[in-house]
Amino acid sequence: AQSVTQLDSHVSVSEGTPVLLRCNYSSSYSPSLFWYVQHPNKGLQLLLKYTSAATLVKGINGFEAEFKKSETSFHLTKPSAHMSDAAEYFCVVSDRNDYKLSFGAGTTVTVRA
Amino acid sequence: EAGVAQSPRYKIIEKRQSVAFWCNPISGHATLYWYQQILGQGPKLLIQFQNNGVVDDSQLPKDRFSAERLKGVDSTLKIQPAKLEDSAVYLCASSSDGIEAFFGQGTRLTVV
Repeated sequence: AQSVTQLDSHVSVSEGTPVLLRCNYSSSYSPSLFWYVQHPNKGLQLLLKYTSAATLVKGINGFEAEFKKSETSFHLTKPSAHMSDAAEYFCVVSDRNDYKLSFGAGTTVTVRA
Repeated sequence: EAGVAQSPRYKIIEKRQSVAFWCNPISGHATLYWYQQILGQGPKLLIQFQNNGVVDDSQLPKDRFSAERLKGVDSTLKIQPAKLEDSAVYLCASSSDGIEAFFGQGTRLTVV
């Protein structure tokens, strides 16, 4: 069975500084990995996905993530935070053998002016 | 293409009442998921359908929750009777390949 651990429950950054959200996964098979963002009272929006192609994945709004199999990690980064990045972020692992999605507990991002 | 549609968007009920949520997945998507997201937590899978068959309902509280997927398309999730701890956002998602899931806007349930 697969699982995801988001290592930070809350991250606070200043506007214009880098953002790093950490995610470790556990999977018996070759996983697919995703980052979703959820703004207050909004639905889940896909930021980016890894599905066994390039290990460095670029997503929307300047976010990117790197799949590192040796470290079982899929950390999300952005070079320069914007106020609009304040939201909840979820790392998700998918097992294509049983179509199961497993969510991390989420990381709340606060951006200071 | 049209996204995953859910209704209603909001629902307030008293404890011990019943409630039903509806989901229309993206056309052609064989896999459908219902998730429960309690405030401050990540979504938790309640039930997963593959066409109209149940793949996983291990975390569905079957004494009060039920779900069905009619003809492998639309799905309804019912709670009867509701408890205060059922207050949450109920998310429906669908997938064509079991890799990427598309989520609806969710139904926010408040039990008072």
